[in-house]
Amino acid sequence: QVQLVESGGGVVQPGGSLRLSCAASGFTFSSYGMHWVRQAPGKGLEWVAFIRYDGSNKYYADSVKGRFTISRDNSKNTLYLQMNSLRAEDTAVYYCAKDRYEYSSSYAFDIWGQGTMVTVSS
Amino acid sequence: DIQMTQSPSSLSASVGDRVTITCRASQSISSYLNWYQQKPGKAPKLLIYAASSLQSGVPSRFSGSGSGTDFTLTISSLQPEDFATYYCQQSYTTPPTFGQGTRLEIK
Repeated sequence: QVQLVESGGGVVQPGGSLRLSCAASGFTFSSYGMHWVRQAPGKGLEWVAFIRYDGSNKYYADSVKGRFTISRDNSKNTLYLQMNSLRAEDTAVYYCAKDRYEYSSSYAFDIWGQGTMVTVSS
Repeated sequence: DIQMTQSPSSLSASVGDRVTITCRASQSISSYLNWYQQKPGKAPKLLIYAASSLQSGVPSRFSGSGSGTDFTLTISSLQPEDFATYYCQQSYTTPPTFGQGTRLEIK
């Protein structure tokens, strides 16, 4: 079945770094754009970043631009989020999500992973 | 950025009730509007895309309507499994933005 499984979350000090991974299965990963979306504890949803199906274009929320990097390895069916210079306000559950349309950037998220928690605290 | 405002923020209803949640965009987004359901501790689930198209596998009691700046999500007859938080999201432009959520509780 179509599945996304995140990993790599944990506790990190302010200013530290973390790399999240999202393993995809059950669909042709290389045909779909992918996103990261986060949710701070008790709060709503915030889109973080997008990467095109072939990795040729990447877009970021202003709140993470210059600090986070989205990437993908289509040979491994895996999406990544490299997070540097982490701040307390980056504390959240991070979800990877699949774009609904092939070879497109519809920004409709039809499949989500279970999420991985990132806590930035000293 | 386009601001999305949902109303109400919370709602109490009974099984079998018809429920409507409203979402308003700060500027016209045509029909680039999606609805998600989220249960506690779980990932969001896509219910409606392009304002009124039902995602595969979603029960037909869910429906969406609207265009421009005003949109609605309707649940025709509430079931016990529908008590959750609902989010609208615009996909008209980057960054995609979400409403603050509507928490649907059991009366």
